[in-house]
Amino acid sequence: AQSVAQPEDQVNVAEGNPLTVKCTYSVSGNPYLFWYVQYPNRGLQFLLKYITGDNLVKGSYGFEAEFNKSQTSFHLKKPSALVSDSALYFCAVRDIHYNTDKLIFGTGTRLQVFP
Amino acid sequence: GAGVSQSPSNKVTEKGKDVELRCDPISGHTALYWYRQRLGQGLEFLIYFQGNSAPDKSGLPSDRFSAERTGESVSTLTIQRTQQEDSAVYLCASSLAGEAFFGQGTRLTVV
Repeated sequence: AQSVAQPEDQVNVAEGNPLTVKCTYSVSGNPYLFWYVQYPNRGLQFLLKYITGDNLVKGSYGFEAEFNKSQTSFHLKKPSALVSDSALYFCAVRDIHYNTDKLIFGTGTRLQVFP
Repeated sequence: GAGVSQSPSNKVTEKGKDVELRCDPISGHTALYWYRQRLGQGLEFLIYFQGNSAPDKSGLPSDRFSAERTGESVSTLTIQRTQQEDSAVYLCASSLAGEAFFGQGTRLTVV
């Protein structure tokens, strides 16, 4: 079965510093990977996805993610964190079978950016 | 509308009552999902609809939970005889090509 793991419950970073939110995956076949962000009291917003092509994927709000096949990772990154980036981040993998095509989410990582 | 719409945004119900949650997906999106998010936790898959195919109900936690979808439009999630552990935010999403767009959710509180 497809799955993703987010090993960190929380990541703390100072504003202006680079940030990384980790995600590893386990899939059979080619992975379709996603990052979503959830701001307080709001729904999930799509950030970026990897389907195929370049290993470095650029997304919304200056975020990017690097697909690493050998390490089965898809870490989310941003060169310079903002206080407004503080939110809950979810990594997800697409689970496709004959009767389903659903997103399987990780447990989430809370990012806290301090001024 | 431009996005996925869910109603009601908040619902407080007494234990044992039935509730019905509604989701209006983005027009043209063939896939629709329901997820549950308990306070401070991740997203738990409930059910998936794709066009006229049989839905994937593998995530429904008990037979008190059911969902329907009319064609490629509105979906309703029904919880019968609600229990306190059903308290959560219920999120609906729709998709056309794998990238899911989520509604704001319905916060269900069972008292």
